[in-house]
Amino acid sequence: GESVGLHLPTLSVQEGDNSIINCAYSNSASDYFIWYKQESGKGPQFIIDIRSNMDKRQGQRVTVLLNKTVKHLSLQIAATQPGDSAVYFCAEKEDQAGTALIFGKGTTLSVSS
Amino acid sequence: DAGITQSPRHKVTETGTPVTLRCHQTENHRYMYWYRQDPGHGLRLIHYSYGVKDTDKGEVSDGYSVSRSKTEDFLLTLESATSSQTSVYFCAISHGLARTDTQYFGPGTRLTVL
Repeated sequence: GESVGLHLPTLSVQEGDNSIINCAYSNSASDYFIWYKQESGKGPQFIIDIRSNMDKRQGQRVTVLLNKTVKHLSLQIAATQPGDSAVYFCAEKEDQAGTALIFGKGTTLSVSS
Repeated sequence: DAGITQSPRHKVTETGTPVTLRCHQTENHRYMYWYRQDPGHGLRLIHYSYGVKDTDKGEVSDGYSVSRSKTEDFLLTLESATSSQTSVYFCAISHGLARTDTQYFGPGTRLTVL
């Protein structure tokens, strides 16, 4: 079965709002997590990653939070823009080079202006 | 797309025919991967390679074979295509040099098996 899943298949927000996309994982051995953005007809694009020795990591307009106690991961997008509309996937892996990513099913973010 | 190209980008074929998809990278990364993406399943690993002539199976490897004769090229072959192999196929690469080994994806190949 899936070891990574997203709580909501779709999320609709207004332009300028902050968006929060959630993800739950079940493999306690996973210690590296990545968020990808996938636009229609394109491959997944790396957004931000976090290792299990961290609780929070910030990028440009994005923040990833990791709660290892409840095996929960979230992606926060500040001041969401129409260009943020896409499918967002979380992925997990064990911290060894070359091992496979395990993907969740994705959340479709729709931003209306 | 991180110096990754895939060819063809679209292909329609008939059941029972052989199909080969190509992934080419210009990053000199050690690891290369083939995933398939299907509605309701997300991305699933088919095969991966950790060096020239070094490959291993992923979660959904049945019906697929791979080859890597050069660092930059990773081929995925469907020996006898079936309708269940209709999917979007993505190649990914990673350097494999550090523990946090981010994978970067190509643009994908949409394959339809009639």
